[in-house]
Amino acid sequence: NAGVTQTPKFRVLKTGQSMTLLCAQDMNHEYMYWYRQDPGMGLRLIHYSVGEGTTAKGEVPDGYNVSRLKKQNFLLGLESAAPSQTSVYFCASSSYTKNIQYFGAGTRLSVL
Amino acid sequence: DAKTTQPTSMDCAEGRAANLPCNHSTISGNEYVYWYRQIHSQGPQYIIHGLKNNETNEMASLIITEDRKSSTLILPHATLRDTAVYYCSAGIGGTSYGKLTFGQGTILTVHP
Repeated sequence: NAGVTQTPKFRVLKTGQSMTLLCAQDMNHEYMYWYRQDPGMGLRLIHYSVGEGTTAKGEVPDGYNVSRLKKQNFLLGLESAAPSQTSVYFCASSSYTKNIQYFGAGTRLSVL
Repeated sequence: DAKTTQPTSMDCAEGRAANLPCNHSTISGNEYVYWYRQIHSQGPQYIIHGLKNNETNEMASLIITEDRKSSTLILPHATLRDTAVYYCSAGIGGTSYGKLTFGQGTILTVHP
């Protein structure tokens, strides 16, 4: 059972480039989340989704877009990367019946 | 969402119980207390959660005060592999999207 899988694991971008981070879960969870983690700041919620075709903003959504076209996938996009988006990104999912979040291994992104 | 406060760091001897405190004085009646941990930059891992009553599972015990303003996570026999950052969070459980707020957590170091 893979759980939550994030791709890629590492990425280096130049300022202004775009990229998409992919999150896939095989637990049939309704809810999915994207967090970023910066040194000394814990985890901060970027965007979340309560179901296929629906997304909503978290506490730090600026500069990111998301899409959930399929229940098992949640994509995080950076249209024009900035150095301030250098961070570790975590995806998580949880079921409708129990709010226990399962996290992926993370994507380490550097924007130069 | 309730704000949580945890000590920055704690030490524990291997084989001893590790008691990690958390204050959540503004927790609302329908918010659960959740504990997660993060080992060396891996994705956070769920440990345990509770609403009012004390809880125990194969990983840990959770003691919640009667007024629900604070809680303690207990690792009964800490091992070196329990060295991690431990996050206490308050969030709505059950059939609601599970937004969790993670603070800076407690760095637990287990010594031989």
